[in-house]
Amino acid sequence: AQSVTQLDSHVSVSEGTPVLLRCNYSSSYSPSLFWYVQHPNKGLQLLLKYTSAATLVKGINGFEAEFKKSETSFHLTKPSAHMSDAAEYFCVVSDNSGGSNYKLTFGKGTLLTVNP
Amino acid sequence: EPEVTQTPSHQVTQMGQEVILRCVPISNHLYFYWYRQILGQKVEFLVSFYNNEISEKSEIFDDQFSVERPDGSNFTLKIRSTKLEDSAMYFCASSEVGGSEQFFGPGTRLTVL
Repeated sequence: AQSVTQLDSHVSVSEGTPVLLRCNYSSSYSPSLFWYVQHPNKGLQLLLKYTSAATLVKGINGFEAEFKKSETSFHLTKPSAHMSDAAEYFCVVSDNSGGSNYKLTFGKGTLLTVNP
Repeated sequence: EPEVTQTPSHQVTQMGQEVILRCVPISNHLYFYWYRQILGQKVEFLVSFYNNEISEKSEIFDDQFSVERPDGSNFTLKIRSTKLEDSAMYFCASSEVGGSEQFFGPGTRLTVL
C-alpha cells in the first residue's frame, strides 16, 4: 500500500523568500514521486517527477525536490517565491509494484500563499 | 503540445439522474484514468482502464459507475443514478504504455442538487 503525508496544509511566504513544502511517503515498492500544482479553477499540472534516476529533481518554474529514501521524504523547494506561485500543491506517489497501472495516490495538498 | 480535454467543464444535475462525463485523452496514450476531488478534500483515484477493460478500481467505484471507450478517441465516465455526495471535480488522465507520468485534463465540476 502507498500513502502520502503533506505535513503542512497551508504555507505562507513573502515574495522573494524561499519556499519549502514538505512531503513524506510510504510505499511497499520502489516508488515514483511527483509534485503537481493546481491553480484556482484550473486542472493539475505536473511540476516535477522522480523515477529512480537522480535524487535531486528539477522541475518547471524554478522548483526542485530531493528524494531522500532514508527519510522517506520528497520535499519541494524554490529559492525565491513569486506571486504567481500561489496555488495548491500536491505530493503524489505511484507504486511501481510491477503492475502497469501506475495508480496515483495524492496527499491532501498544501496551499501556498505568497504575500507581496 | 498535446493535452487531455474534458467536457463539459461544469455539469449540474438532479439527484437520481444519469450523467456522462467525457474525456479525450492524448492520442498515443493507451492507459486512461478517472480521479475525483470533493471540495476541500484530496484527489482520489477512481479507476484505470487499458485495452478496453478496467485494470483497477477503488472502493469508490461501485456499481453506479462505469467507464467506456466508445470510439478511438473518447473515454467516458457514467454515473447511473447520481447522489448528492457525487458532487466533485472529476479529472481524467492518460499515460503512455508503461509510463508513469499521467497527464490530467482540466476537470469537470459535477454538481448534484
